[in-house]
Amino acid sequence: AQSVTQLGSHVSVSEGALVLLRCNYSSSVPPYLFWYVQYPNQGLQLLLKYTTGATLVKGINGFEAEFKKSETSFHLTKPSAHMSDAAEYFCAVSGGGYQKVTFGTGTKLQVIP
Amino acid sequence: DAGVIQSPRHEVTEMGQEVTLRCKPISGHDYLFWYRQTMMRGLELLIYFNNNVPIDDSGMPEDRFSAKMPNASFSTLKIQPSEPRDSAVYFCASSHRPTGGGETQYFGPGTRLLVL
Repeated sequence: AQSVTQLGSHVSVSEGALVLLRCNYSSSVPPYLFWYVQYPNQGLQLLLKYTTGATLVKGINGFEAEFKKSETSFHLTKPSAHMSDAAEYFCAVSGGGYQKVTFGTGTKLQVIP
Repeated sequence: DAGVIQSPRHEVTEMGQEVTLRCKPISGHDYLFWYRQTMMRGLELLIYFNNNVPIDDSGMPEDRFSAKMPNASFSTLKIQPSEPRDSAVYFCASSHRPTGGGETQYFGPGTRLLVL
């Protein structure tokens, strides 16, 4: 069984401030981890993913995430928020093979000018 | 590539009517997924296909929901009869390989369904 928990359904940051969105996962096998972003009235699109190898993963739009096995976490960060980052962010996990991807409940990011 | 295409983008219907949602996956993708997104339940996987064959439909809410994939470039999700609680955004997604192994899913823009 696998699951993800996203801490905080809403996060507000000031423009230019650090963005930190938290994700903890549970998986009985080595996980594959994803962050997807959903802009208003659009579908989800991949920000970044961890499969194997380097635990610090860089994605689009300046986002990055670090896989920490000891903490079962995959938090998403961006050093400086931009107004265009306002969106909903979903963490997701899969356990390899033909397993389905399980999505978290999402975190809505608000960027305050 | 045009990406995943869904139609219609918006649908308003009355309770009891049949609703058909359509999806065209990205060419060459062997996996197709139907998701439902609501405020209360978040993003739920309804069903997915591999090479046009339904693999897992355990997320389909009840017999009122059915999905087909007659060929590699077209899938439908049908609700008959529709109920107000079916109001949601329905997404179609596709991938080249199994998503369990870290494969990216590509989502369509969604169909926003409102059942009155």
